[in-house]
Amino acid sequence: AQSVTQLDSHVSVSEGTPVLLRCNYSSSYSPSLFWYVQHPNKGLQLLLKYTSAATLVKGINGFEAEFKKSETSFHLTKPSAHMSDAAEYFCVVSDLNRDDKIIFGKGTRLHILP
Amino acid sequence: EAGVVQSPRYKIIEKKQPVAFWCNPISGHNTLYWYLQNLGQGPELLIRYENEEAVDDSQLPKDRFSAERLKGVDSTLKIQPAELGDSAVYLCASSSGQGAAKNIQYFGAGTRLSVL
Repeated sequence: AQSVTQLDSHVSVSEGTPVLLRCNYSSSYSPSLFWYVQHPNKGLQLLLKYTSAATLVKGINGFEAEFKKSETSFHLTKPSAHMSDAAEYFCVVSDLNRDDKIIFGKGTRLHILP
Repeated sequence: EAGVVQSPRYKIIEKKQPVAFWCNPISGHNTLYWYLQNLGQGPELLIRYENEEAVDDSQLPKDRFSAERLKGVDSTLKIQPAELGDSAVYLCASSSGQGAAKNIQYFGAGTRLSVL
């Protein structure tokens, strides 16, 4: 069975400083991994995805994530936070090509301090 | 290109009443999903359709929830009767059926249900 754990429910960083949102997963094989962002009163938007190609994945708005199989992690990073990054972020594990479940993490709320 | 369209955006009903949500996926997307999102939680999959077939409804509480996608395009999710605990946001998403893109979901804005 697959599972995903977002290690922090809230993260606060100052504008212009690096962002790190942590995600660990559990799977019996190398699944597809995703990060989605949800701004208030808006739909979920895909930030980036890992599907067994390059382990360092670049997404939109300057975000990137690194797949580390040995650590079963897929942490999301950004070098410099912007006020517009304040939102809820979800780590997702799934592999529909294997007809597996789609599992969302509980989410991490990112606060940006001026 | 239009995104995933859901209606209504908000719905307030009294407990024991029925309620229905509608979703129109992105044109050409074969796969459609319904999720439930409680406050402060991640979305939980209720049902997944491949065209008109429900291929995963294991998390759908079938005593009160039902869904249909008769022509393999738009879909409705119904609750009858609604309970207080059903208050949540109901999200619809769609994805294409092609290769790696099959895993990429596009979400609607959701329907926020309040049961009084």
